[in-house]
Amino acid sequence: DAGVIQSPRHEVTEMGQEVTLRCKPISGHNSLFWYRQTMMRGLELLIYFNNNVPIDDSGMPEDRFSAKMPNASFSTLKIQPSEPRDSAVYFCASSRGHEQYFGPGTRLTVT
Amino acid sequence: AQSVTQLDSQVPVFEEAPVELRCNYSSSVSVYLFWYVQYPNQGLQLLLKYLSGSTLVKGINGFEAEFNKSQTSFHLRKPSVHISDTAEYFCAVPWSGAGSYQLTFGKGTKLSVIP
Repeated sequence: DAGVIQSPRHEVTEMGQEVTLRCKPISGHNSLFWYRQTMMRGLELLIYFNNNVPIDDSGMPEDRFSAKMPNASFSTLKIQPSEPRDSAVYFCASSRGHEQYFGPGTRLTVT
Repeated sequence: AQSVTQLDSQVPVFEEAPVELRCNYSSSVSVYLFWYVQYPNQGLQLLLKYLSGSTLVKGINGFEAEFNKSQTSFHLRKPSVHISDTAEYFCAVPWSGAGSYQLTFGKGTKLSVIP
């Protein structure tokens, strides 16, 4: 099993640009989570999907952030427009129960 | 919602010494508990989990944790640490009980192993 796959691994963009982060969960997992990790705020849950349906998006910071899961094998997290304070490592995780499997993360830098 | 508290943000320890990383949880319902490890520049990886049964849980890399209901604790221990154990460790609990797949993570404990 390849594990959770995230792309890109690193993204550097200028303020105001659109950023799209991608995630392929482990096959057979029916829950998917997007997290953000920063030194200041630690690990934060942004949004949680179950069976491709968003269950809890209360962690999404503001309308600039949106997430989709069009099918069981793909999800995106989009930031439009991006701001320097969005700089962080974004993790995707998937699960079939309580045990979550994390991807390697995308390190986003907004200048 | 359930929560976890990791009492130490940083723990330095010499190589081959024992270590204990502390975690306390708040819950009045049945509890599942998890410890995750994050090595530098990597995602989180499950170390061990308590779902039911024996209160002493063994995980990967020689780590173990003991579920203590009376003290609402789930401390992580290793009798002899290696340089490769340098990482950040997170305690986690389901956000709203055993039926919830969302996890609430503690703020993490950075373990630094000194040669």
